[in-house]
Amino acid sequence: EVQLVESGGGLVQPGGSLRLSCAASGFTFSSYDMHWVRQTAGKGLEWVSAIGVAGDTYYPGSVKGRFTISRDNAKSSLYLQMNSLRAGDTAVYYCTRASGTYYDFDYWGQGTLVTVSS
Amino acid sequence: QSALTQPASVSGSPGQSITISCTGTSSDIGAYNYVSWYQHHPGKAPKLMIYEVSNRPLGVPDRFSGSKSGNTASLTISGLQAEDEADYYCSSYTSSSTKWVFGGGTKLTVL
Repeated sequence: EVQLVESGGGLVQPGGSLRLSCAASGFTFSSYDMHWVRQTAGKGLEWVSAIGVAGDTYYPGSVKGRFTISRDNAKSSLYLQMNSLRAGDTAVYYCTRASGTYYDFDYWGQGTLVTVSS
Repeated sequence: QSALTQPASVSGSPGQSITISCTGTSSDIGAYNYVSWYQHHPGKAPKLMIYEVSNRPLGVPDRFSGSKSGNTASLTISGLQAEDEADYYCSSYTSSSTKWVFGGGTKLTVL
């Protein structure tokens, strides 16, 4: 059974940093692209970052230069380093697996809440 | 404001059919057949219901179907059941640097 379990969320002050982790199990982690998607209150879902099996990374303009996605295939783990956090980054962050067709997300974790507030 | 536009809410009675629309642009829905739909019961992990416009993953009932016309995609749920009550989100790949865009979500209420 595929499982994705996020951790590392919490309360952080504006300008602060946080590192999210996602522990994957039930599949060959190294063979799949992985993504982070967040859900902000009242704004629905927003794609945050992606990492390919070769380690190539992608970001939308809203987080580029502030967030860094990485993976450790030996540990079947995905990470999101978030720096220079803003109030607008407050959201539930989901770890997701890209399906075999690459363009959709076939498994999601239950999410971890990040609150940016003073 | 989300990149894709969905109605905030829809409702239907058990056994009825409902359709949720998802409107984008010629850079996303209109350009690619990479539209997907997700069901989200609050507090749980979102679940993929439809991928590549109209394909169902294994285990998703055939009551769920997807389609696309121009810049608008649609999710239809026939034979509504109580357990279908959830939030539904559409998503599309896009030619912009954002790469993936989502709708704002539609709350389905089964009356």
